[in-house]
Amino acid sequence: GENVEQHPSTLSVQEGDSAVIKCTYSDSASNYFPWYKQELGKGPQLIIDIRSNVGEKKDQRIAVTLNKTAKHFSLHITETQPEDSAVYFCASLAGSWGKLQFGAGTQVVVTP
Amino acid sequence: DGGITQSPKYLFRKEGQNVTLSCEQNLNHDAMYWYRQDPGQGLRLIYYSQIVNDFQKGDIAEGYSVSREKKESFPLTVTSAQKNPTAFYLCASSDSGTFLYFGPGTRLTVL
Repeated sequence: GENVEQHPSTLSVQEGDSAVIKCTYSDSASNYFPWYKQELGKGPQLIIDIRSNVGEKKDQRIAVTLNKTAKHFSLHITETQPEDSAVYFCASLAGSWGKLQFGAGTQVVVTP
Repeated sequence: DGGITQSPKYLFRKEGQNVTLSCEQNLNHDAMYWYRQDPGQGLRLIYYSQIVNDFQKGDIAEGYSVSREKKESFPLTVTSAQKNPTAFYLCASSDSGTFLYFGPGTRLTVL
């Protein structure tokens, strides 16, 4: 089955700097790649997603890139702010409808 | 406002007891899901349901059971057969099979 690896597990950045989280997937049939943000004690919320027919997508300070050949995709957060501190999960979808496979998560800490 | 509610927020269980976690959505979504979250691990799929009266096992269904008698409700029962039930449980729904809306979660602790 699909396996998603996410790195790093923790990321500490200075406010205003950029943060990059990388994920790799194993199933070449994967065609949908969402990113979720989870604040402490809450459920994850979708922040951005990308489909396999697109190489890059941007939404204000966040962007996602996809390299299908290498089977990896990345989340980029620019001009980080304290409210960006959270756990971020990548995921991929292949095969069965709705069965997302999640990475282990990245704890991002933005220090003022 | 539309959304997903989970209750209770915190739940304590004695060993050997079954407990049921509630999940209700008013988004009119056909599909609903249960995920388990452990520290340092990603979300793992327990069960999912694409339509009423039908559900499928996910990757870690052993020790859990579900029902889907109504479109808006998808309760999860953690049985005594689940050997390590202490975790954070997340319910989600979807109308597309891709975009998942998550509830606020229930933290289950076995005493």
